[in-house]
Amino acid sequence: GAVVSQHPSWVICKSGTSVKIECRSLDFQATTMFWYRQFPKQSLMLMATSNEGSKATYEQGVEKDKFLINHASLTLSTLTVTSAHPEDSSFYICSALGTDPYEQYFGPGTRLTVT
Amino acid sequence: AQKVTQAQTEISVVEKEDVTLDCVYETRDTTYYLFWYKQPPSGELVFLIRRNSFDEQNEISGRYSWNFQKSTSSFNFTITASQVVDSAVYFCALEGGRDDKIIFGKGTRLHILP
Repeated sequence: GAVVSQHPSWVICKSGTSVKIECRSLDFQATTMFWYRQFPKQSLMLMATSNEGSKATYEQGVEKDKFLINHASLTLSTLTVTSAHPEDSSFYICSALGTDPYEQYFGPGTRLTVT
Repeated sequence: AQKVTQAQTEISVVEKEDVTLDCVYETRDTTYYLFWYKQPPSGELVFLIRRNSFDEQNEISGRYSWNFQKSTSSFNFTITASQVVDSAVYFCALEGGRDDKIIFGKGTRLHILP
């Protein structure tokens, strides 16, 4: 089946620094990828839709200047958390939309801890 | 607006018991997809099933079965003869037909006690 990877799987950073998380579709191309955030013991909340070659579409309440998304190729989307703060600590999960079959595949997630 | 409701926040059953996880959804789309995912402590989502809105047939896969009823907008998940390894958080999710966004329910934390 289709595989989506995320890197890093976990990261600890200091408050005020920026962190980049990568989402890759390993064996298929994905013009659309999605980024989710999951706080402890909560559900997955969609943050944004990442479209290859165009600007990401953010869900209501998500700061686009804080969560920068770049989808520069058909197999890679990146999420950069800028000026991270402890409240940004969360589990970030991406998904990639394949075209044949037309299904979404989820990455394993990245656990971000901001100290 | 699309919405997925999992009313059961947490369930505990003794091993070998059957358990049903409820899921009720709301959507205005005529074409949509319903999912169940398992999330073990590692955090990685495990895909269990995807069902489109035109297929109301019940599905069975080993000890897992799903009951889809459009009349009540429900897509319930039953584990038969539960095992300790079934302990996890289970999410029901909905994807509308237009924008490919998947909306998740709040999840049900399932504890299977030995």
